[in-house]
Amino acid sequence: EPEVTQTPSHQVTQMGQEVILRCVPISNHLYFYWYRQILGQKVEFLVSFYNNEISEKSEIFDDQFSVERPDGSNFTLKIRSTKLEDSAMYFCASSPSRGYQPQHFGDGTRLSIL
Amino acid sequence: AQSVTQLGSHVSVSEGALVLLRCNYSSSVPPYLFWYVQYPNQGLQLLLKYTTGATLVKGINGFEAEFKKSETSFHLTKPSAHMSDAAEYFCAVSDLQNSGNTPLVFGKGTRLSVIA
Repeated sequence: EPEVTQTPSHQVTQMGQEVILRCVPISNHLYFYWYRQILGQKVEFLVSFYNNEISEKSEIFDDQFSVERPDGSNFTLKIRSTKLEDSAMYFCASSPSRGYQPQHFGDGTRLSIL
Repeated sequence: AQSVTQLGSHVSVSEGALVLLRCNYSSSVPPYLFWYVQYPNQGLQLLLKYTTGATLVKGINGFEAEFKKSETSFHLTKPSAHMSDAAEYFCAVSDLQNSGNTPLVFGKGTRLSVIA
């Protein structure tokens, strides 16, 4: 069964540094998402992406964050000038269409900011 | 704004006992509802979904959930718990009010422990 793959599985970064989290969505999917889960808290939506542009973003997704689909397969989340509170598990998801089609999640990248 | 409430952050059952994980939602329109399971150090795996039609939906691993509009609930059940069911369970909701890609709104999750 096709999977969403995320790399790396664990990223350790010094505060203030930039980090790029990578995702390869399922190949025929058109909608892409990033979510995060701070330890012990709920999974929160960050951003959705369709047709090479952001279609929706949460208030968490400020100027520190950006997303990109640099080629036909990868979907990246860039976090500039990382802060301690950015430490979390970041999940990428994809779906073939909107609404009732379920989103398929990757295994996540655990980001630790020191 | 949508919200999802999962009653009980931790539920513990004996092996072979009934599993009941509660989920209530708030939405101004009938939503789409999902249950995801997260095993340790893994991502979120879809257990089941409700979109339209039959209100009792069956998922993987013997789980099922019933959409009750009058109670705004979507509780997850399994008749007989297995040790392998121990995991974190998340209820999530989305609707088509948003013009975009209908991001999921998650509950806080319920950790299920199964005792031998």
